[in-house]
Amino acid sequence: GDSVTQMEGPVTLSEEAFLTINCTYTATGYPSLFWYVQYPGEGLQLLLKATKADDKGSNKGFEATYRKETTSFHLEKGSVQVSDSAVYFCALETSYDKVIFGPGTSLSVIP
Amino acid sequence: EADIYQTPRYLVIGTGKKITLECSQTMGHDKMYWYQQDPGMELHLIHYSYGVNSTEKGDLSSESTVSRIRTEHFPLTLESARPSHTSQYLCASSASPGPPAGANVLTFGAGSRLTVL
Repeated sequence: GDSVTQMEGPVTLSEEAFLTINCTYTATGYPSLFWYVQYPGEGLQLLLKATKADDKGSNKGFEATYRKETTSFHLEKGSVQVSDSAVYFCALETSYDKVIFGPGTSLSVIP
Repeated sequence: EADIYQTPRYLVIGTGKKITLECSQTMGHDKMYWYQQDPGMELHLIHYSYGVNSTEKGDLSSESTVSRIRTEHFPLTLESARPSHTSQYLCASSASPGPPAGANVLTFGAGSRLTVL
């Protein structure tokens, strides 16, 4: 069945460091892919999305490229800030309009 | 400003009690979802609905039940709560993406944290 795998956390970085959170998926067809973020004490919100191969989603300095050949959608940011501390979830939309999530990666950014 | 509302935000209840978690959205979305988020953060889909009078079970087996009598309302009920039901429950909704094929973007509520003693 469809599934999402992402790198284990927690991840701790210093401010201005480069961030990569790996995400790979298993799915039939051509699913849409997402990154959602959950800030402390808040609900989940969409960070970025991509609907087809080679699409690049971007928002708030974060980027992810839909790579069908490697079934990946890695999240990157060139220079993280303390305010980026949150839990990040990779997700995909199945052929039945369900959205399934990866296990989440906790990021802590220290000054 | 939240367009999807969950109540209660926090609930502590004894074993055997019946509880209903409320979820309402004002966006006219046809699809609604319930996820259970365990302490390790992972989200599991437990119920979803494509529209009024449509409900389906998700990937994680759950003893809860749902109903969708009105577009805007998708309550979740536990007939007899147990400590194993202690978790955070997240409600979400989405609109059907129009052509060309879009992405099913979910809007989440703030969650209901349930503790069963």
